[in-house]
Amino acid sequence: AQSVTQLGSHVSVSEGALVLLRCNYSSSVPPYLFWYVQYPNQGLQLLLKYTSAATLVKGINGFEAEFKKSETSFHLTKPSAHMSDAAEYFCAVSDRSSNTGKLIFGQGTTLQVKP
Amino acid sequence: SQTIHQWPATLVQPVGSPLSLECTVEGTSNPNLYWYRQAAGRGLQLLFYSVGIGQISSEVPQNLSASRPQDRQFILSSKKLLLSDSGFYLCAWGQTYQAFFGQGTRLTVV
Repeated sequence: AQSVTQLGSHVSVSEGALVLLRCNYSSSVPPYLFWYVQYPNQGLQLLLKYTSAATLVKGINGFEAEFKKSETSFHLTKPSAHMSDAAEYFCAVSDRSSNTGKLIFGQGTTLQVKP
Repeated sequence: SQTIHQWPATLVQPVGSPLSLECTVEGTSNPNLYWYRQAAGRGLQLLFYSVGIGQISSEVPQNLSASRPQDRQFILSSKKLLLSDSGFYLCAWGQTYQAFFGQGTRLTVV
């Protein structure tokens, strides 16, 4: 069965510092991979997705993620944090062999940005 | 363009009362539809998904049920709410490559 592990339920960075949110997946075949952001009491917004094209994926708001098959990882990064990046971030996988589009989510990481 | 509507945004219900949350999608036909729940301090858990009218798959045993009476309408229900049903409920529509989420319903069972 597929699973997603996000290391660190809370990450705190200073404004302007590097953001690194970690995600590892477990799957027998490379899945589709996603990062979503959730602001308080709102739905989820897609940041970026990996669907077997380039392993380095660029998303919205300056975020990017790199798919590393050997490490079964899909870590999210941003060179310089803004106050507006404070939110909860979810990594998710989708089974390539299924056409249902079901997503399996990690537990989420809350990003705090300090001035 | 596709849009997804979910209501109500917030709901406070007593234990033992019924529940009905509605979700509708516009701008697409025959979408895959999903209900997720986000409990405090936990990630998102897939509750139900549907690939067509009247076709409902349940992912976890629970006190809730789902129905899809029309192609772009997905309803989450309960006959008698439990305290443990409190949480943030998200409807989504999707395809293989991604899912699009509604704004969510904050349900508090008291």
